[in-house]
Amino acid sequence: AQSVTQLGSHVSVSEGALVLLRCNYSSSVPPYLFWYVQYPNQGLQLLLKYTSAATLVKGINGFEAEFKKSETSFHLTKPSAHMSDAAEYFCAVQNFNKFYFGSGTKLNVKP
Amino acid sequence: DVKVTQSSRYLVKRTGEKVFLECVQDMDHENMFWYRQDPGLGLRLIYFSYDVKMKEKGDIPEGYSVSREKKERFSLILESASTNQTSMYLCASRGAKGYEQYFGPGTRLTVT
Repeated sequence: AQSVTQLGSHVSVSEGALVLLRCNYSSSVPPYLFWYVQYPNQGLQLLLKYTSAATLVKGINGFEAEFKKSETSFHLTKPSAHMSDAAEYFCAVQNFNKFYFGSGTKLNVKP
Repeated sequence: DVKVTQSSRYLVKRTGEKVFLECVQDMDHENMFWYRQDPGLGLRLIYFSYDVKMKEKGDIPEGYSVSREKKERFSLILESASTNQTSMYLCASRGAKGYEQYFGPGTRLTVT
């Protein structure tokens, strides 16, 4: 069975600080992994995806994530947080035609 | 750009009513999905469809049904709405050869 664990339902950083959102997954097959972002009262927007090519994946808005098979992790990072990054972030793993989402991490950015 | 639209952004219904949530995508995607989103629980899959008239149950299908008569349209039906179905409902689509899902803006349903 697939599952996704996001550590920390709320993360707060200061503007300009490093953003680190954690995601660990369990998968019985090599996974496809995704990070999505959701702004208030909107749907989910793809930030980046890992599809078994390069282990360091760059996405939109300066975000990137590194696939670490030995740690079954796919943590999301951004070197310098911006106020506009405040949103909820979801990690997801794909198995065949189904996606499994984590419970989400709300990122708060303090001025 | 892929566009997924949902018929309503906000909906208020009474207990026992039959509720239809509509989703339309414009990218000729084979796969369409319905999720509900609740705080602290992330997204949970209700049903998905991989072709016209084809459907499969997701993780929480109880109390819901779906219909896909045309490739671009996927409907979620609450046969008899209950208060525990108050939630945000998200529709998504994905091409047969694509990886990611594309999401609609969501419908916030309140059942009173």
